Amino acid sequence: KAGVTQTPRYLIKTRGQQVTLSCSPISGHRSVSWYQQTPGQGLQFLFEYFSETQRNKGNFPGRFSGRQFSNSRSEMNVSTLELGDSALYLCASSWSGSRETQYFGPGTRLLVL
Amino acid sequence: GNSVTQMEGPVTLSEEAFLTINCTYTATGYPSLFWYVQYPGEGLQLLLKATKADDKGSNKGFEATYRKETTSFHLEKGSVQVSDSAVYFCALLPPERNEKLTFGTGTRLTIIP
Repeated sequence: KAGVTQTPRYLIKTRGQQVTLSCSPISGHRSVSWYQQTPGQGLQFLFEYFSETQRNKGNFPGRFSGRQFSNSRSEMNVSTLELGDSALYLCASSWSGSRETQYFGPGTRLLVL
Repeated sequence: GNSVTQMEGPVTLSEEAFLTINCTYTATGYPSLFWYVQYPGEGLQLLLKATKADDKGSNKGFEATYRKETTSFHLEKGSVQVSDSAVYFCALLPPERNEKLTFGTGTRLTIIP
């Protein structure tokens, strides 16, 4: 069974631009969570989607948004990029939510210049 | 609130040495506890988990026991290998519905041949 895939793997943007990251969960998984990983803050939860609805949200500004499609694929969008948004963005999927084991993708490394 | 405190790294050991990475947590009730491992350039992989007090999680020679009395979930391995070099994250999932995984800051482990 294929694992969680994330595209693109690497991305370079400039301040003020926006970016969209994609995550395809393991087949059959309906929950997708997003995390930001930085050396200073560690792993921080962004949001969780289940059946196309946002079910949980972390403490990030409104510039960070996401959505989930009917096939459970999820996208994360960051608008008006700031230098501090440079990070590894990880996506995790599970059958029905955060109460179950989450399987992580390899991440998208975003560099904002 | 919920939090995880991990032993600060980096940790450097010789091959075949005994490994302990300390993890303590703060949470109400009985959270589930996890160890995730992140190899260079990759996402997080679930290493082991325990869902109730006195449970022992084990995988690939690693073990951790859920100790409610000391609120700890220390990771141990009897004889480490160079291939164990990675960053290790302790995490907790509270028992409340729709709660999210909370991660420790991670401990970088380097094994020297």
